[in-house]
Amino acid sequence: EPEVTQTPSHQVTQMGQEVILRCVPISNHLYFYWYRQILGQKVEFLVSFYNNEISEKSEIFDDQFSVERPDGSNFTLKIRSTKLEDSAMYFCASRLRTSLYEQYFGPGTRLTVT
Amino acid sequence: TQLLEQSPQFLSIQEGENLTVYCNSSSVFSSLQWYRQEPGEGPVLLVTVVTGGEVKKLKRLTFQFGDARKDSSLHITAAQPGDTGLYLCAGLPGGDKIIFGKGTRLHILP
Repeated sequence: EPEVTQTPSHQVTQMGQEVILRCVPISNHLYFYWYRQILGQKVEFLVSFYNNEISEKSEIFDDQFSVERPDGSNFTLKIRSTKLEDSAMYFCASRLRTSLYEQYFGPGTRLTVT
Repeated sequence: TQLLEQSPQFLSIQEGENLTVYCNSSSVFSSLQWYRQEPGEGPVLLVTVVTGGEVKKLKRLTFQFGDARKDSSLHITAAQPGDTGLYLCAGLPGGDKIIFGKGTRLHILP
């Protein structure tokens, strides 16, 4: 069964460093998302992406964040200058154009900022 | 800000018992969903309810969407240890993002 994959599974970085989290969505999906989950808290929407553009973003997704689809398979989330409060699980999700309600989530990348 | 409140936060019951988990909001949602999340993994969609009053069944799990589209419930009949996990309520307020509740952590004792 096709699945969303994410790398790395765990990333440790120092405050102020740039990180790139990578996702490979399901191959025929056209809508892509990033969510985050701070330890012990709820899953929060960050950004949605379609047709090489951001469709919607939350207040969390400020100028320090960016997303890119550099090729036909990868979808990345970049944090330019990480802060301690960026430590969280980051989930990528994707969906078909025709399946409005069904987003498939990846296993997540645990980001630890020290 | 649209919020989804889940109750209870934690529930520990004996195998074979029935249970209900609730999801409430003051806002109307175009649809509500239930996910299950295992430790170290992403949420996995169980069901989507889109019509007020809708009831969906998935084996021993029954999901209901409130008539006013502001609440939902998950009922498990004859709970099994394999039902242990974190259950997340989520809503689609319109647009494409999903809003999640904090979850109900369910533990079924054998």
